[in-house]
Amino acid sequence: DTGVSQNPRHKITKRGQNVTFRCDPISEHNRLYWYRQTLGQGPEFLTYFQNEAQLEKSRLLSDRFSAERPKGSFSTLEIQRTEQGDSAMYLCASQTGQGASYEQYFGPGTRLTVT
Amino acid sequence: AQSVAQPEDQVNVAEGNPLTVKCTYSVSGNPYLFWYVQYPNRGLQFLLKYITGDNLVKGSYGFEAEFNKSQTSFHLKKPSALVSDSALYFCAVNNFNKFYFGSGTKLNVKP
Repeated sequence: DTGVSQNPRHKITKRGQNVTFRCDPISEHNRLYWYRQTLGQGPEFLTYFQNEAQLEKSRLLSDRFSAERPKGSFSTLEIQRTEQGDSAMYLCASQTGQGASYEQYFGPGTRLTVT
Repeated sequence: AQSVAQPEDQVNVAEGNPLTVKCTYSVSGNPYLFWYVQYPNRGLQFLLKYITGDNLVKGSYGFEAEFNKSQTSFHLKKPSALVSDSALYFCAVNNFNKFYFGSGTKLNVKP
């Protein structure tokens, strides 16, 4: 399968712990996006990269959240000092072109549960 | 501000009947509109998009969508529903390189 992959698929952590998620986009896609999805809602934009450059971050992304894409390939999303409100599905998507007309290809997501 | 509204949380339709899933949008500038489908335990899958041109757009699995600029709508349609079409459907608009998604509509197709 050459689609977008995300690891882990599920993560249960205790409040206050740090967690890191990984996304491997489709290899030739230079744009990578992170979203958060809660039950009954559509995905909400968090941040995106053009190659290794992080071009925009949502106001939803507090200082506890950080994302990297060091070599323009895979990306990581880290949440420090997790809170129960961080419980959600974290989705990664990639797209091949730079314009708004390109569709995105989504990974299966990482479901985070903070206890 | 950009936004997408899906007024129906759930749509029920019998297999073989036509289906419509509604979507309205608010965006500054030209809208780039998309439909995605989400099956349980799987990522969102792209169905179709409207960029410009013909208002009726055809996509995967027999789905189509009609863009109506005056009503700012982009409704998803299929002439004959299948049980396997049962899933969660999201409408989205891309504005300034960011996707804004609706809250989703659960489609139930009954045999």
